[in-house]
Amino acid sequence: SQQGEEDPQALSIQEGENATMNCSYKTSINNLQWYRQNSGRGLVHLILIRSNEREKHSGRLRVTLDTSKKSSSLLITASRAADTASYFCAINSGGSNYKLTFGKGTLLTVNP
Amino acid sequence: SAVISQKPSRDICQRGTSLTIQCQVDSQVTMMFWYRQQPGQSLTLIATANQGSEATYESGFVIDKFPISRPNLTFSTLTVSNMSPEDSSIYLCSVTLLSGNYGYTFGSGTRLTVV
Repeated sequence: SQQGEEDPQALSIQEGENATMNCSYKTSINNLQWYRQNSGRGLVHLILIRSNEREKHSGRLRVTLDTSKKSSSLLITASRAADTASYFCAINSGGSNYKLTFGKGTLLTVNP
Repeated sequence: SAVISQKPSRDICQRGTSLTIQCQVDSQVTMMFWYRQQPGQSLTLIATANQGSEATYESGFVIDKFPISRPNLTFSTLTVSNMSPEDSSIYLCSVTLLSGNYGYTFGSGTRLTVV
Protein backbone atom coordinates (compact mmCIF):
# COMPACT_ATOMS: atom_id res chain seq x y z
CA SER A 1 0.00 0.00 0.00
CA GLN A 2 1.00 3.64 -0.21
CA GLN A 3 0.90 4.02 3.56
CA GLY A 4 3.93 5.66 5.11
CA GLU A 5 5.78 3.78 7.80
CA GLU A 6 7.27 5.78 10.64
CA ASP A 7 10.31 4.78 12.58
CA PRO A 8 10.68 4.59 15.52
CA GLN A 9 7.20 3.83 16.86
CA ALA A 10 8.11 5.53 20.13
CA LEU A 11 10.87 7.90 21.15
CA SER A 12 11.69 9.26 24.60
CA ILE A 13 14.20 12.08 25.03
CA GLN A 14 15.18 14.83 27.47
CA GLU A 15 14.29 18.46 26.98
CA GLY A 16 16.88 20.24 24.87
CA GLU A 17 17.79 17.17 22.87
CA ASN A 18 16.98 16.71 19.20
CA ALA A 19 14.37 14.23 18.00
CA THR A 20 14.49 12.53 14.62
CA MET A 21 11.63 10.58 13.11
CA ASN A 22 11.68 8.76 9.81
CA CYS A 23 9.02 7.88 7.26
CA SER A 24 9.28 5.44 4.38
CA TYR A 25 6.79 4.91 1.58
CA LYS A 26 6.42 2.67 -1.41
CA THR A 27 5.46 4.50 -4.60
CA SER A 28 5.65 7.92 -6.20
CA ILE A 29 4.31 10.95 -4.38
CA ASN A 30 3.12 14.46 -5.13
CA ASN A 31 4.07 15.66 -1.69
CA LEU A 32 4.67 14.40 1.82
CA GLN A 33 3.29 16.07 4.91
CA TRP A 34 3.97 15.87 8.63
CA TYR A 35 1.32 16.29 11.30
CA ARG A 36 1.25 16.42 15.09
CA GLN A 37 -1.50 15.06 17.30
CA ASN A 38 -1.79 15.76 21.00
CA SER A 39 -3.57 13.14 23.10
CA GLY A 40 -6.02 11.87 20.48
CA ARG A 41 -7.19 15.31 19.47
CA GLY A 42 -7.26 16.88 16.02
CA LEU A 43 -4.17 16.87 13.86
CA VAL A 44 -2.09 19.96 13.28
CA HIS A 45 -0.26 20.42 10.01
CA LEU A 46 3.45 21.01 10.54
CA ILE A 47 5.15 21.08 7.18
CA LEU A 48 4.71 19.98 3.56
CA ILE A 49 7.53 19.02 1.25
CA ARG A 50 6.97 18.60 -2.47
CA SER A 51 8.43 15.77 -4.47
CA ASN A 52 10.93 18.09 -6.17
CA GLU A 53 12.19 19.50 -2.88
CA ARG A 54 14.91 17.97 -0.73
CA GLU A 55 14.78 19.97 2.48
CA LYS A 56 12.49 22.44 4.24
CA HIS A 57 12.70 24.32 7.50
CA SER A 58 10.06 25.80 9.74
CA GLY A 59 11.22 27.16 13.08
CA ARG A 60 12.72 24.24 15.02
CA LEU A 61 11.53 21.74 12.41
CA ARG A 62 13.61 20.41 9.56
CA VAL A 63 12.22 17.97 7.01
CA THR A 64 14.20 16.14 4.38
CA LEU A 65 12.96 14.08 1.46
CA ASP A 66 14.88 11.49 -0.51
CA THR A 67 12.70 10.30 -3.37
CA SER A 68 15.33 7.81 -4.55
CA LYS A 69 15.09 6.05 -1.19
CA LYS A 70 11.40 6.85 -0.78
CA SER A 71 12.00 8.24 2.67
CA SER A 72 11.61 11.41 4.69
CA SER A 73 12.80 12.53 8.08
CA LEU A 74 11.49 15.06 10.57
CA LEU A 75 13.99 16.66 12.92
CA ILE A 76 12.85 18.66 15.93
CA THR A 77 15.71 20.60 17.44
CA ALA A 78 16.03 21.76 21.05
CA SER A 79 12.94 19.82 22.06
CA ARG A 80 10.53 21.02 24.73
CA ALA A 81 8.09 19.18 26.96
CA ALA A 82 5.30 20.76 24.90
CA ASP A 83 6.56 18.82 21.85
CA THR A 84 5.27 15.63 23.46
CA ALA A 85 2.77 14.25 20.94
CA SER A 86 2.28 11.72 18.18
CA TYR A 87 3.79 12.64 14.83
CA PHE A 88 2.45 11.28 11.54
CA CYS A 89 3.70 11.45 8.02
CA ALA A 90 1.07 11.54 5.29
CA ILE A 91 1.44 10.82 1.61
CA ASN A 92 -0.32 12.73 -1.14
CA SER A 93 0.02 10.68 -4.29
CA GLY A 94 -1.42 13.37 -6.55
CA GLY A 95 -4.19 12.78 -9.03
CA SER A 96 -7.65 14.23 -8.77
CA ASN A 97 -8.64 12.94 -5.34
CA TYR A 98 -6.09 14.77 -3.16
CA LYS A 99 -6.53 12.29 -0.34
CA LEU A 100 -3.83 11.68 2.26
CA THR A 101 -2.60 8.29 3.37
CA PHE A 102 -1.19 8.29 6.89
CA GLY A 103 1.60 6.31 8.46
CA LYS A 104 1.32 4.65 11.85
CA GLY A 105 2.97 7.49 13.69
CA THR A 106 5.77 8.04 16.19
CA LEU A 107 4.92 8.78 19.81
CA LEU A 108 7.43 11.34 21.06
CA THR A 109 7.84 11.92 24.78
CA VAL A 110 10.01 14.83 25.88
CA ASN A 111 10.91 14.60 29.54
CA PRO A 112 11.45 17.85 31.46
CA SER B 1 -6.10 28.34 6.75
CA ALA B 2 -9.66 27.18 7.28
CA VAL B 3 -11.20 26.79 10.72
CA ILE B 4 -13.35 23.73 11.38
CA SER B 5 -16.04 23.27 13.97
CA GLN B 6 -16.73 19.60 14.57
CA LYS B 7 -19.57 18.44 16.80
CA PRO B 8 -20.04 16.64 19.08
CA SER B 9 -16.60 16.42 20.63
CA ARG B 10 -17.46 13.16 22.32
CA ASP B 11 -20.39 10.87 22.90
CA ILE B 12 -21.24 7.58 24.54
CA CYS B 13 -23.85 5.64 22.60
CA GLN B 14 -25.78 2.43 22.94
CA ARG B 15 -25.14 -0.33 20.46
CA GLY B 16 -27.64 -0.43 17.64
CA THR B 17 -28.17 3.32 17.60
CA SER B 18 -26.79 5.93 15.18
CA LEU B 19 -24.79 9.10 15.68
CA THR B 20 -24.43 12.01 13.27
CA ILE B 21 -21.26 14.08 13.38
CA GLN B 22 -21.21 17.56 11.92
CA CYS B 23 -18.33 19.43 10.31
CA GLN B 24 -18.69 23.16 9.63
CA VAL B 25 -15.94 25.09 7.85
CA ASP B 26 -15.58 28.86 7.94
CA SER B 27 -14.69 29.15 4.26
CA GLN B 28 -15.49 27.42 1.02
CA VAL B 29 -13.23 24.45 0.51
CA THR B 30 -12.78 22.14 -2.41
CA MET B 31 -12.15 18.83 -0.69
CA MET B 32 -13.60 17.38 2.50
CA PHE B 33 -12.70 14.03 3.96
CA TRP B 34 -13.77 11.84 6.86
CA TYR B 35 -11.23 9.75 8.77
CA ARG B 36 -11.46 7.17 11.51
CA GLN B 37 -8.78 6.65 14.13
CA GLN B 38 -9.18 3.52 16.18
CA PRO B 39 -7.61 3.47 19.66
CA GLY B 40 -3.84 3.70 19.46
CA GLN B 41 -3.89 3.54 15.67
CA SER B 42 -3.28 5.82 12.73
CA LEU B 43 -5.90 7.53 10.62
CA THR B 44 -7.85 5.60 8.00
CA LEU B 45 -9.76 7.43 5.31
CA ILE B 46 -13.46 6.57 5.29
CA ALA B 47 -14.59 8.65 2.34
CA THR B 48 -14.34 11.85 0.38
CA ALA B 49 -17.42 14.01 0.84
CA ASN B 50 -18.56 15.35 -2.53
CA GLN B 51 -20.68 18.46 -2.71
CA GLY B 52 -24.15 17.71 -3.99
CA SER B 53 -23.46 14.08 -4.83
CA GLU B 54 -22.73 10.73 -3.23
CA ALA B 55 -19.52 10.40 -1.25
CA THR B 56 -16.61 8.35 -2.57
CA TYR B 57 -15.93 5.52 -0.13
CA GLU B 58 -12.67 3.74 0.49
CA SER B 59 -12.34 -0.01 0.48
CA GLY B 60 -13.95 -1.50 3.55
CA PHE B 61 -16.41 1.34 4.12
CA VAL B 62 -19.97 1.39 2.78
CA ILE B 63 -22.67 3.99 2.50
CA ASP B 64 -25.21 2.03 4.53
CA LYS B 65 -22.90 2.04 7.53
CA PHE B 66 -21.40 5.53 7.10
CA PRO B 67 -23.82 7.75 5.18
CA ILE B 68 -22.29 11.13 4.38
CA SER B 69 -23.91 14.33 3.25
CA ARG B 70 -22.36 17.48 1.87
CA PRO B 71 -25.11 19.89 0.85
CA ASN B 72 -22.72 22.80 0.24
CA LEU B 73 -19.05 23.70 0.22
CA THR B 74 -18.83 24.47 3.94
CA PHE B 75 -20.79 21.71 5.68
CA SER B 76 -20.76 17.94 5.89
CA THR B 77 -22.14 15.24 8.14
CA LEU B 78 -21.03 11.69 8.82
CA THR B 79 -23.46 9.22 10.38
CA VAL B 80 -22.25 6.08 12.09
CA SER B 81 -25.19 3.70 11.79
CA ASN B 82 -26.25 0.67 13.77
CA MET B 83 -23.26 1.04 16.04
CA SER B 84 -21.33 -1.73 17.70
CA PRO B 85 -18.44 -1.52 20.19
CA GLU B 86 -16.04 -1.95 17.25
CA ASP B 87 -17.10 1.49 16.04
CA SER B 88 -15.56 3.10 19.12
CA SER B 89 -13.01 5.46 17.59
CA ILE B 90 -12.15 9.07 16.99
CA TYR B 91 -13.78 10.42 13.84
CA LEU B 92 -12.20 13.43 12.17
CA CYS B 93 -13.15 15.62 9.27
CA SER B 94 -10.48 17.24 7.18
CA VAL B 95 -10.45 19.89 4.47
CA THR B 96 -8.09 21.35 1.98
CA LEU B 97 -8.56 24.56 0.10
CA LEU B 98 -6.90 24.14 -3.22
CA SER B 99 -4.87 21.65 -5.14
CA GLY B 100 -3.61 19.41 -2.36
CA ASN B 101 -0.28 21.21 -2.35
CA TYR B 102 -1.20 22.85 0.90
CA GLY B 103 -1.54 21.44 4.36
CA TYR B 104 -4.85 19.96 5.35
CA THR B 105 -6.89 21.28 8.25
CA PHE B 106 -8.47 18.86 10.68
CA GLY B 107 -11.40 19.17 13.01
CA SER B 108 -10.81 18.51 16.69
CA GLY B 109 -12.38 15.08 16.35
CA THR B 110 -15.34 13.24 17.80
CA ARG B 111 -14.47 10.60 20.37
CA LEU B 112 -17.15 7.93 20.13
CA THR B 113 -17.61 5.17 22.67
CA VAL B 114 -20.20 2.48 21.96
CA VAL B 115 -21.41 0.45 24.92
